[in-house]
Amino acid sequence: AQSVTQLDSQVPVFEEAPVELRCNYSSSVSVYLFWYVQYPNQGLQLLLKYLSGSTLVKGINGFEAEFNKSQTSFHLRKPSVHISDTAEYFCAVRRIGGYSTLTFGKGTMLLVSP
Amino acid sequence: EAQVTQNPRYLITVTGKKLTVTCSQNMNHEYMSWYRQDPGLGLRQIYYSMNVEVTDKGDVPEGYKVSRKEKRNFPLILESPSPNQTSLYFCASSFGGQGNNEQFFGPGTRLTVL
Repeated sequence: AQSVTQLDSQVPVFEEAPVELRCNYSSSVSVYLFWYVQYPNQGLQLLLKYLSGSTLVKGINGFEAEFNKSQTSFHLRKPSVHISDTAEYFCAVRRIGGYSTLTFGKGTMLLVSP
Repeated sequence: EAQVTQNPRYLITVTGKKLTVTCSQNMNHEYMSWYRQDPGLGLRQIYYSMNVEVTDKGDVPEGYKVSRKEKRNFPLILESPSPNQTSLYFCASSFGGQGNNEQFFGPGTRLTVL
């Protein structure tokens, strides 16, 4: 079984400031890692994913995340946020090999103010 | 346009009145899944389907039924809804059930059970 912990339920930042949203996971087997974004009143959209290779993954809208296997973390970062980045962000994992379900964290609400 | 559609988007009903939320995808995906999203709990999987006529329970299946008679459709059925099923529901699909397949999400159905 696997689990995902998003350490912050809310992260308030000012526009143009950098941001980091933290995600730690627990799993007895290797996993794929994902970040999804949910804009107000919308469904989930994939931001980025780590499947293999380089541990630094770049996604849409200027976001990136770094996979750290020793710390079992997959933190999401953006060097300069915009008002339009205000949304809820979900970290998720899925077991490698065979069929597996997607396990989500509880989400982090990013609040960007002017 | 490749998409997952859900109907209705909003529904208010009363305890015990059977309802069905439809989900349809036009991407010829094999894997489909239903989630519910509750504040502070993130997304939790209700049921999933690997292919036509193959369905299995997720983490929170109590009170729900599903069917997969056709590849494109995966309706969620609440035989006797109760207030604790008030939630935001998402349908998702992916090419396969393996971990590296991106899941595409529908826009969500907000259900209120009085």
